[in-house]
Amino acid sequence: DIQMTQSPSSLSASIGDRVTITCRASQGISNYLAWFQQKPGKVPKSLIYAASSLQSGVPSKFSGSGSGTDFTLTISSLQPEDFATYYCQQYKSYPFTFGPGTKVDLK
Amino acid sequence: EVQLLESGGGLVQPGGSLRLSCVVSGFTFNNYAMSWVRQAPGKGLEWVSIISNGGGSIYYGNSVKGRFTISRDNSENTLYLQMKSLRAEDTAVYYCAKAHSGTYSHLDYWGQGTLVTVSS
Repeated sequence: DIQMTQSPSSLSASIGDRVTITCRASQGISNYLAWFQQKPGKVPKSLIYAASSLQSGVPSKFSGSGSGTDFTLTISSLQPEDFATYYCQQYKSYPFTFGPGTKVDLK
Repeated sequence: EVQLLESGGGLVQPGGSLRLSCVVSGFTFNNYAMSWVRQAPGKGLEWVSIISNGGGSIYYGNSVKGRFTISRDNSENTLYLQMKSLRAEDTAVYYCAKAHSGTYSHLDYWGQGTLVTVSS
């Protein structure tokens, strides 16, 4: 199975900060990588697919990059509505696997 | 508008069974693969299973293989998850999710989830 790791596990940031989250796969997954945002008590929301493609309706402050084993999610200017937990997921090989999540909170 | 509505969750004893349903609307159900993802209380997301649009391809996560069965009724726009031999560690919110296309695509829409509690 492909193991997904994320770093950091949590981070504190201020409004307007640029935030970067890293996701690493235990083996190459090409660009079969998605990012999700989940707010407390809410349903996960798709942000990015194919490592760098923005899901319809998602603001352009979110961007993704990477290929192979190393990926990043960047929020260009953090806003109050962006405080949440972010998960990466690989869909290259079964069983599909999620990263453990990165919680972004207010500094 | 894409909508997914899960039902069937509840309290069940260890070793028991439960069947979850997910009724969808707003898209042509039989064109898309569908998946189940779960989240234990206070924990992260865990991928459970996926079924292709016609039901011919099915995959499971290691922790549920042999105990859970995914199926779909394209005439009723409904996805199912039959769960047997339930364990305390199966306690979670279960989400159904639509795949963007086939069984190797990302999940683009999610339901609200249904809570399954396995306890005596």
